[in-house]
Amino acid sequence: ELKVEQNPLFLSMQEGKNYTIYCNYSTTSDRLYWYRQDPGKSLESLFVLLSNGAVKQEGRLMASLDTKARLSTLHITAAVHDLSATYFCAADFGNEKLTFGTGTRLTIIP
Amino acid sequence: EADIYQTPRYLVIGTGKKITLECSQTMGHDKMYWYQQDPGMELHLIHYSYGVNSTEKGDLSSESTVSRIRTEHFPLTLESARPSHTSQYLCASGQGYTEAFFGQGTRLTVV
Repeated sequence: ELKVEQNPLFLSMQEGKNYTIYCNYSTTSDRLYWYRQDPGKSLESLFVLLSNGAVKQEGRLMASLDTKARLSTLHITAAVHDLSATYFCAADFGNEKLTFGTGTRLTIIP
Repeated sequence: EADIYQTPRYLVIGTGKKITLECSQTMGHDKMYWYQQDPGMELHLIHYSYGVNSTEKGDLSSESTVSRIRTEHFPLTLESARPSHTSQYLCASGQGYTEAFFGQGTRLTVV
């Protein structure tokens, strides 16, 4: 079964702290995507990871991909309030469709 | 910036009505998708297309139908809306290994 799992599902963290969201997927995939969704809005692309060991960074967010472990991580450094959102990872299992994870709802507390 | 448009943004309609949700993209992408998402929940693929005259059902069974007569246009139709169809519908397009770009979504309420 093609499956993508994220944890945690809910994350409440204080401003200034660091944390990591984990994305595990069930079978071989060389393409992993991270999206952000604000309440009531659509999805905004954050990162595209296309090979083992890929690392991308934008501001306080950094994403990485380990295809051998079937794991991608989204690391948040020194969180600020405007990072509060739901974060989704999605994998392409070679069928040109994106299978999405359950999402991680992140709340940053002042 | 991605150019993919969905209309209407919000729709409240009575049970039994026929509706069409519109989705258009100006990027010339071959791949287009429809996802269904309940508030705060994960996205489920209900339809996809790899090009003109190519449509497939997704992982989540849906009573809706789609068509792809032109590259830029991928409408979704419900012949007879029911309250169980109440949800947000997100259209997306992509090309090759690039990310999928999403429209703003249509929030459908069937009363």
